[in-house]
Amino acid sequence: AQSVTQPDIHITVSEGASLELRCNYSYGATPYLFWYVQSPGQGLQLLLKYFSGDTLVQGIKGFEAEFKRSQSSFNLRKPSVHWSDAAEYFCAVGARGTSYGKLTFGQGTILTVHP
Amino acid sequence: GAGVSQSPSNKVTEKGKDVELRCDPISGHTALYWYRQSLGQGLEFLIYFQGNSAPDKSGLPSDRFSAERTGGSVSTLTIQRTQQEDSAVYLCASSLGWTSGRDTQYFGPGTRLTVL
Repeated sequence: AQSVTQPDIHITVSEGASLELRCNYSYGATPYLFWYVQSPGQGLQLLLKYFSGDTLVQGIKGFEAEFKRSQSSFNLRKPSVHWSDAAEYFCAVGARGTSYGKLTFGQGTILTVHP
Repeated sequence: GAGVSQSPSNKVTEKGKDVELRCDPISGHTALYWYRQSLGQGLEFLIYFQGNSAPDKSGLPSDRFSAERTGGSVSTLTIQRTQQEDSAVYLCASSLGWTSGRDTQYFGPGTRLTVL
């Protein structure tokens, strides 16, 4: 079964600083990978996704993520954080084959942005 | 277009009562998913409907939980004899389905269930 680890429960950055949120996954083949963001009281919004091909994927709101097979990682980055980016971020892995449809989520990383 | 909608947004019930949570998927999406988000367990998969196929119920935590999808569209998640540990946010998602090749799930705002 697949699993996802987000090592950082809470990250604090200053507005304008760069950001990297870590995600490591465990899966026997090439997974589908996703990053979602959740603002308080809201559902999950898709930031970006990786299925195949170019390992650097661009998403909405200026976010990008890089799939590194050798490190089983899919870290999320943003060069300059805005106060509105404060939220909780979830990395998720989707399996191929018979387990298709079940997303497995990490525990989430809460991002606080200082002015 | 309209996104996934869920109702009610909040539900408070007493232990032992039954509750029904509703999900309206994005029009044209053949796949529908239910997840549960709780403080202790994070985000957990519950059940998955794909077209007319039998649903994947492997994530349902007990036989008190059931779900149906009528006419390939609206879905209802039913929790019978609610327990305090059922308190959580229940999220619904929909997608074009596995036949689309690169499936992406879009989530609704969730229903916050509180069992007193």
